[in-house]
Amino acid sequence: GNSVTQMEGPVTLSEEAFLTINCTYTATGYPSLFWYVQYPGEGLQLLLKATKADDKGSNKGFEATYRKETTSFHLEKGSVQVSDSAVYFCALVNNDMRFGAGTRLTVKP
Amino acid sequence: DGGITQSPKYLFRKEGQNVTLSCEQNLNHDAMYWYRQDPGQGLRLIYYSQIVNDFQKGDIAEGYSVSREKKESFPLTVTSAQKNPTAFYLCASSTGQQVIETQYFGPGTRLLVL
Repeated sequence: GNSVTQMEGPVTLSEEAFLTINCTYTATGYPSLFWYVQYPGEGLQLLLKATKADDKGSNKGFEATYRKETTSFHLEKGSVQVSDSAVYFCALVNNDMRFGAGTRLTVKP
Repeated sequence: DGGITQSPKYLFRKEGQNVTLSCEQNLNHDAMYWYRQDPGQGLRLIYYSQIVNDFQKGDIAEGYSVSREKKESFPLTVTSAQKNPTAFYLCASSTGQQVIETQYFGPGTRLLVL
C-alpha cells in the first residue's frame, strides 16, 4: 500500500541555518508528492508539490525534488527564519492520500 | 474570501454525549474530507465525500458519522461509541475533478473530553 515516512523531530535550528527534512515514500505507480505546513493552532497549508519524477516544487524559499530512483521528496531551505517554526507534513496522493507523521521545526533567533 | 471554516475552535464532550463538528466551504468544491490528527501520528482519514448525498468511510470511521446534504457543508458527529475522541479534527476540500488534487484545509477543531 501507499505510505510516507518522515524523519522524526523535533528539529531545532538557529536562524539562517540550512534545513533538510527527509521524506521517503512507498507507492505503486506514479504518485504525486506534497509538503504541507501547519502553524500552531491552525490547519494545514499547502507548501509545495511535485506531480512527476524529477519535478522540483518550490515556495517561500523551500524546495523539494521528486526522486523516483530513491523514492524521496526531501524538503530543504537554505536559510530558515523564526517564522518558519511549524510542523511540516510530507504527503502523497496515489488513489488515496497518505500523510507522514509530521516533523516539528523550531527556529531560534 | 473563499475558504473553509470549521467551528467551534474548541469543543468539550461529556461521557456518553454525541457532538457535531461543523465544516463549511465556499470554494465550490465537490469533494470534502475529515481527518483526525493525533500527536506523532500525522493525519488519518475518517470519512470523505465526493458528491452531495454520498460519502465513504476512511481508515478510522468507527465511532463517527457524517452527512452531506449540501455541497457546502460536511458535518462530522463524534458519537458516544468513539472511546478516545480527544484529538484535533481537520476538514479539507478539493475540486473533485482530477485524479491528483490539492486539498485545502480548514483551521481545525480541538475536541476535549470532560
